[in-house]
Amino acid sequence: KAGVTQTPRYLIKTRGQQVTLSCSPISGHRSVSWYQQTPGQGLQFLFEYFSETQRNKGNFPGRFSGRQFSNSRSEMNVSTLELGDSALYLCASSSGRSGSTEAFFGQGTRLTVV
Amino acid sequence: DAKTTQPTSMDCAEGRAANLPCNHSTISGNEYVYWYRQIHSQGPQYIIHGLKNNETNEMASLIITEDRKSSTLILPHATLRDTAVYYCIVRPPVNTGTASKLTFGTGTRLQVTL
Repeated sequence: KAGVTQTPRYLIKTRGQQVTLSCSPISGHRSVSWYQQTPGQGLQFLFEYFSETQRNKGNFPGRFSGRQFSNSRSEMNVSTLELGDSALYLCASSSGRSGSTEAFFGQGTRLTVV
Repeated sequence: DAKTTQPTSMDCAEGRAANLPCNHSTISGNEYVYWYRQIHSQGPQYIIHGLKNNETNEMASLIITEDRKSSTLILPHATLRDTAVYYCIVRPPVNTGTASKLTFGTGTRLQVTL
């Protein structure tokens, strides 16, 4: 079955702009989590959506937001981009049900802010 | 979240077993040990997980000490394609609602050489 799909793969934006990233989870998975990866901070959890509701949130400013649609696809939005937002943004999907465990990651979207 | 400690880097000759250690001395009784790896610029890939017993799958084996304070991931016959950063993660059970929030450390950079 198809894996986690993230679009676009690469993106270049200017400071002050906003950006929307998309993630399509594995079919049947209802949980989508987002992570930011930078050389300095490593992989950091942003937030998780389950059944269209934000279930967990990391320690990021309000400029980072997300949503999940009824088909479990998720979008992440970053407003007023800063240079420090340049990173690889990864999304992971899992079934989210009790007893189900591993998360599957997409290939990521590499965002460059100039 | 329970923290993990891993060596920064390790080398392994191709065809030999790679043994990657992880310390998680503050692990709670219901927390699982998960291993992921990340090949350069790709999304993390799930390898294996366990609670108390040793586990084996087609990719690797996981040995957890009796006191659960440490574990070892074993790649029985390392190949060049196993060169990656390996992350050991301690994760609460799925039914706690926070299981999706994976806390990645700095991981071990495994270099497999000819």
